[in-house]
Amino acid sequence: DTGVSQNPRHKITKRGQNVTFRCDPISEHNRLYWYRQTLGQGPEFLTYFQNEAQLEKSRLLSDRFSAERPKGSFSTLEIQRTEQGDSAMYLCASTSTWALYFGPGTRLLVL
Amino acid sequence: DAKTTQPPSMDCAEGRAANLPCNHSTISGNEYVYWYRQIHSQGPQYIIHGLKNNETNEMASLIITEDRKSSTLILPHATLRDTAVYYCITGGSEKLVFGKGTKLTVNP
Repeated sequence: DTGVSQNPRHKITKRGQNVTFRCDPISEHNRLYWYRQTLGQGPEFLTYFQNEAQLEKSRLLSDRFSAERPKGSFSTLEIQRTEQGDSAMYLCASTSTWALYFGPGTRLLVL
Repeated sequence: DAKTTQPPSMDCAEGRAANLPCNHSTISGNEYVYWYRQIHSQGPQYIIHGLKNNETNEMASLIITEDRKSSTLILPHATLRDTAVYYCITGGSEKLVFGKGTKLTVNP
């Protein structure tokens, strides 16, 4: 197993467009997390899943954001009507124990 | 908000021990202390965690004070590749709240 993978690694979009990111966790990991990170800040929690159930959503996750994990394996994070303030690194992590294993992230730039 | 306090930056000479402090005076009895690090442009990497006993693994040692209000991460022989932002986090086994961390620079 090669760890958590995220696609795409980079995304440039125009304001108002929709974007979708994919996260493939480590096999057998039942918990999956999404974080967002802006320059100079630590990662900010967005949401997490236990299997296919979304158990918690941050207030940062406005109604333009939606995350799914339909079969308890991969997950998608969609941002509708992107804004320049959405520009950030979007990180996915998975675990089945204590340690979160993070992917390389998807860097989003909204022009 | 993050429940830990860390110095924003530290320097260390290559080959010497790096001791990174963290204050977590409001930690509750069932919360663990976790350390992660993030090398530039990569996702965070788990280092170590502990509840009240000192812990050691192949990457580092974690020293937790008896009152659990502070801890120190020790990298025994720092290398240039240890240059990173180090995050100290307290919490349970679910979501982790990251602060700004300590930017450790290992100098040759």
